[in-house]
Amino acid sequence: DQQVKQNSPSLSVQEGRISILNCDYTNSMFDYFLWYKKYPAEGPTFLISISSIKDKNEDGRFTVFLNKSAKHLSLHIVPSQPGDSAVYFCAARGHSGGSNYKLTFGKGTLLTVNP
Amino acid sequence: DVKVTQSSRYLVKRTGEKVFLECVQDMDHENMFWYRQDPGLGLRLIYFSYDVKMKEKGDIPEGYSVSREKKERFSLILESASTNQTSMYLCASSSLPDTEAFFGQGTRLTVV
Repeated sequence: DQQVKQNSPSLSVQEGRISILNCDYTNSMFDYFLWYKKYPAEGPTFLISISSIKDKNEDGRFTVFLNKSAKHLSLHIVPSQPGDSAVYFCAARGHSGGSNYKLTFGKGTLLTVNP
Repeated sequence: DVKVTQSSRYLVKRTGEKVFLECVQDMDHENMFWYRQDPGLGLRLIYFSYDVKMKEKGDIPEGYSVSREKKERFSLILESASTNQTSMYLCASSSLPDTEAFFGQGTRLTVV
């Protein structure tokens, strides 16, 4: 059973516009959420995160929103640039020790930003 | 800068071979992970270790084992490689619960 879901396998936007990537989760024990970006043949790189005590976190062009009641988070990229074209993974983590430190990932969304 | 280094970028192995994938991190992180990435399936956790000599099964441990004898090194072992283990393998490490996990560059393994 998938605990972290990214229901859009792909998204295409024009350069300069907003990209919105969505993620849903089912496990109420998750309390820390991360977004990773991945280029082909490379490892994922960390983009931005949010703790469950917040509903928004911003870093430059990237903003993550968390709606705990809906178990939903989204990543906004404004303005989108062609270099943002990559696969974006949503990930979630529990807050207790031991095995809850593992990250559970969604299947990813391929973002294409067209010049 | 945190560095997670995987021993090989590309590997080709034969069915039935025992395969070792090595991962080393240089930031004294407690937690280390092995994932595999397959098209349409995202990143799936194979094994996880939160301390030296400690290991836990992830979502898809069948056909794999791991070893963590030293804090900085986490090895993934394919006991008898099969073609369905052809994949991109990703190692990661992390420290406190509220910090991100850092990934290596990945190993593209092909089993023929």
